[in-house]
Amino acid sequence: EIVLTQSPGTLSLSPGERATLSCRAGQSVSSRYLAWYQQKSGQAPRLLIYGASSRATGIPDRFSGSGSGTDFTLTISRLEPEDFAVYYCQQYGSSPGTFGQGTKLEIK
Amino acid sequence: QVQLVQSGAEVKKPGASVKVSCKASGYIFTSYYIHWVRQAPGQGLEWVGMINPSTGSTTYAQKFQGRVAMTRDTSTSTVYMELSSLRSEDTAVHYCARDEGYSYGLGDYWGQGTLVTVSS
Repeated sequence: EIVLTQSPGTLSLSPGERATLSCRAGQSVSSRYLAWYQQKSGQAPRLLIYGASSRATGIPDRFSGSGSGTDFTLTISRLEPEDFAVYYCQQYGSSPGTFGQGTKLEIK
Repeated sequence: QVQLVQSGAEVKKPGASVKVSCKASGYIFTSYYIHWVRQAPGQGLEWVGMINPSTGSTTYAQKFQGRVAMTRDTSTSTVYMELSSLRSEDTAVHYCARDEGYSYGLGDYWGQGTLVTVSS
């Protein structure tokens, strides 16, 4: 199975700042089948990005995804108060689909 | 609007089985795959498997092969996941999620989650 490693584990930033989250795969992710989710406490995950760089319906353009092969990045250009949450990357091109361990984005 | 509404929390003893439901509305039920993903308390996300509501065909993560069964009822637009031989490590919130195409876990809409607690 493809192991996904996210870094950093915790990111402390202030509203208005730029956030850069990393996801590294243990082997190449086929056809850029890489997604990013946001999860708030007690809620289901919310799809942000699929296909490595395509925003899901209704997702603000301050969220962007990039990368290919084994290295992927989620960037939040200007943090809003509601963006502080846990973020997961996921590869869904090979069985079993796998998730990273998550990055907690907290208010500094 | 698209909604996936799951059944309520369950408490089961080790060795028992649990069946969780996921009722879909707001879209054509047979046009989207359904995945099941679980999350142990304070932990990350884990893909369990998927079902094609149109044909009933399933794909399970190898880890759960032989212990999980996913079915659907097209008359009520409901998908079911049954997990048997429960152990304490199965204590988790189980989510269903909709997928437009064939993949191993992409979900654009998610259910609210069902907590399954396994305890003696």
